[in-house]
Amino acid sequence: QVQLQQSGPGLVKPSQTLSLTCAISGDSVSSNNAAWNWIRQSPSRGLEWLGRTYYRSKWYNDNAVSVKGRITINPDTSKNQFSLQLNSVTPEDTAVYYCARDRAKAGGLDYWGQGTLVTVSS
Amino acid sequence: DIQMTQSPSSLSASVGDRVTITCRSSQSIAGYLNWYQQIPGTAPKLLIYAASSLQSGVPSRFSGSASGTDFTLTISSLHPEDFASYYCQQTYSMPYTFGQGTKLEIK
Repeated sequence: QVQLQQSGPGLVKPSQTLSLTCAISGDSVSSNNAAWNWIRQSPSRGLEWLGRTYYRSKWYNDNAVSVKGRITINPDTSKNQFSLQLNSVTPEDTAVYYCARDRAKAGGLDYWGQGTLVTVSS
Repeated sequence: DIQMTQSPSSLSASVGDRVTITCRSSQSIAGYLNWYQQIPGTAPKLLIYAASSLQSGVPSRFSGSASGTDFTLTISSLHPEDFASYYCQQTYSMPYTFGQGTKLEIK
């Protein structure tokens, strides 16, 4: 059974960096059959896919244009986890952030973390 | 970006009713369409992938279908635990976009 456990602060000041981690059990961040995603949800923007990292003989990343230049998603093979960093945050980045796995383009996001409410406020 | 338009945005129904939720994509997505259920305070749960494939463990009263750029989620007979929000998502091209959601409420 795959489980994703999120951790990270719930409050970030404007202009600073949002950092979250997603620890994986029951699968491997280096799996050749999975990709590891970050999604966020807010009342104003709904569900918004942010980006993903995956391994296919080497590491790849895909990121949403809406956060390009501000987002970094990194795998950590030693701890079997992956992380999200979002720079230069504003109050518009306030949202519930989720990590999730997908197994294939046609497979959907089949396992999700519990979600982390991140508030951007001074 | 591919736009996903869901209808209706909200729906009132009774236990035992058959309900249908529709999602339309702004361009062809070749069947790369997923449906999720979300109960308030919890993460979305995958119900249907590739337009019509039932995710493991999901009750058979849930089904999905496709016709061109129109996709449908059907619940054949509502159970009390089905009152939640439902979202479609395309995984045909980046960025993977979601519909705005349909809130299913008890009549």
